[in-house]
Amino acid sequence: EVQLVESGGGLVQPGGSLRLSCVASGFTFNNYWMSWVRQAPGKGLEWVANIKKDGSEKSYVDSVKGRFTISRDNAKNSLYLQMNSLRGEDTAVYYCAALAAITDSDYWGQGTLVTVSS
Amino acid sequence: SEELTQPPSVSVSPGQTARITCSGDALPKQYASWYQQKPGQAPVLVIYKDTERPSTIPERFSGSSSGTIITLTISGVQAEDEADYYCQSADSSGSYQNILFGGGTKLTVL
Repeated sequence: EVQLVESGGGLVQPGGSLRLSCVASGFTFNNYWMSWVRQAPGKGLEWVANIKKDGSEKSYVDSVKGRFTISRDNAKNSLYLQMNSLRGEDTAVYYCAALAAITDSDYWGQGTLVTVSS
Repeated sequence: SEELTQPPSVSVSPGQTARITCSGDALPKQYASWYQQKPGQAPVLVIYKDTERPSTIPERFSGSSSGTIITLTISGVQAEDEADYYCQSADSSGSYQNILFGGGTKLTVL
């Protein structure tokens, strides 16, 4: 059974930092590009960042460039998101995902809630 | 920056056909997917590669593409299909690296 389990969310003050983690099982993790996707309360899905299978390429949505860093450890089947200089608009459920693109191999975690508030 | 545009809402009666559109300049160049999301749940893939349907998804879900517009069609809508639907693709840079989501369409089954 495929599983993606996120952790590390919580309440943080504006300007603070958090590190999200995602542990994968049930599929060959190092065969997949991996993404973080977020969803603010009552809003739509927003792609945040992704990383190539071997970690050699990374992309970010403009609103998080310079503040967030995506990384992975294929030996641990793990994906990470280091979030610095957090703002209120970063409040959201953050999903770890392997997006389908051209196949039906599409996997999502259940999400972890990040709340940025004083 | 590039965008994918969806109508905010679509309403249909049970048994009717629902069509949800998604428009974007990148769509002629990039494959697209559709996701269904119910409250409190993670999104579920219902269409990938513009028109392909995962084996776990009912046949009443189909996808089509024409130029800058893609369409998710749900034939014989059932009450359980009430959900938010999102299109997803990538920008026109050539790689499938910079991911785009549409704003989402709330499907209401009357």
